[in-house]
Amino acid sequence: AQKITQTQPGMFVQEKEAVTLDCTYDTSDQSYGLFWYKQPSSGEMIFLIYQGSYDEQNATEGRYSLNFQKARKSANLVISASQLGDSAMYFCAMRTNTGNQFYFGTGTSLTVIP
Amino acid sequence: EPEVTQTPSHQVTQMGQEVILRCVPISNHLYFYWYRQILGQKVEFLVSFYNNEISEKSEIFDDQFSVERPDGSNFTLKIRSTKLEDSAMYFCASSDWSSGANVLTFGAGSRLTVL
Repeated sequence: AQKITQTQPGMFVQEKEAVTLDCTYDTSDQSYGLFWYKQPSSGEMIFLIYQGSYDEQNATEGRYSLNFQKARKSANLVISASQLGDSAMYFCAMRTNTGNQFYFGTGTSLTVIP
Repeated sequence: EPEVTQTPSHQVTQMGQEVILRCVPISNHLYFYWYRQILGQKVEFLVSFYNNEISEKSEIFDDQFSVERPDGSNFTLKIRSTKLEDSAMYFCASSDWSSGANVLTFGAGSRLTVL
């Protein structure tokens, strides 16, 4: 069975500091993709970053980077230089190649403090 | 930038009524999805659709629910005989599996309130 775990229901970070949001996953598939989505209070789901299971380099997109540790089955999101607009819910998700379903974690609520 | 469009943005209905939520996926995407998010909770998979048929569905997606692609652009979710617990945000999403990442692109959501 496929599973995504986010153990931090809520996180606080000072503006301009970096923050790491944890995500672990479980799958027996060899080929899979890992995603992070941001959900601001307005409710939409915004794609942030993707990491493929065969990618050797950690993915980066601007201030977002994904710390991919395959052996530990973790895919933590690192946000550098936090901004007030980063305050939102963040969801980790996984897609495997044995189905076309995306599995989501329970989310982490990030609050950036001025 | 291409986007997934959902209508209505908010619908209020009486318990027992039927509701149709509409979605226009990104035009060159082949896979379509409905997800549900009860307020403040996790994003739950309902159903995926490919090649004009359901490819996967969750336990939530029982006989009360149905999906349809009535023409080349629309993708609808029908909820029959709505219940109070159907109140949630319903997200349509689409993806293009021909590209490496197969990113799931979400619509802005349709908030359903059942009274």
